[in-house]
Amino acid sequence: DSGVTQTPKHLITATGQRVTLRCSPRSGDLSVYWYQQSLDQGLQFLIQYYNGEERAKGNILERFSAQQFPDLHSELNLSSLELGDSALYFCASSTENSGRRETQYFGPGTRLLVL
Amino acid sequence: AQTVTQSQPEMSVQEAETVTLSCTYDTSESDYYLFWYKQPPSRQMILVIRQEAYKQQNATENRFSVNFQKAAKSFSLKISDSQLGDAAMYFCAYRSAVMRFGAGTRLTVKP
Repeated sequence: DSGVTQTPKHLITATGQRVTLRCSPRSGDLSVYWYQQSLDQGLQFLIQYYNGEERAKGNILERFSAQQFPDLHSELNLSSLELGDSALYFCASSTENSGRRETQYFGPGTRLLVL
Repeated sequence: AQTVTQSQPEMSVQEAETVTLSCTYDTSESDYYLFWYKQPPSRQMILVIRQEAYKQQNATENRFSVNFQKAAKSFSLKISDSQLGDAAMYFCAYRSAVMRFGAGTRLTVKP
């Protein structure tokens, strides 16, 4: 158990809908990262938040957005869903103290299926 | 952009034997980290081992060790005394500002 929690574990929805994925980092971790793992694209970095502020952006679509709340949990919002958005979405966390890039610990993932 | 290449889509090893998974990366940076993550059928991403680029000594974690060749930009993972529970997808990852993953190597362990 990495200490990172993600809800829900599974999500089935229809095209055009909007969903919210939730992540709670390990105790003491200030950084949260979101990744998408699909069959044809592998593991892709989406976005990072550090202590409530956006820190880095990867291959995140404009239909997707994220935020990190004062209690450090994070939410990834996916809107206008398409079939191709079906994937496993991971959240990871790390401490990132003093700018040192610490190891990222991954949550169990949320499996999203868009029908 | 940094890229990570795992040239072996699949590997197989006999139980109790040793296997080496290959990884190369491309970067112009000097300060970075390298990781191997394991993804079993449960799909959980589990950290196996990490290497800091400024450290010359190869990292070791029990049966897992790496061969880090900085000049060659190579970072291979050696699994000794392979066990059935080692069967999984293994991802090599490079981290500077962001984390980039290779495409993965599926390891099968034969009893």
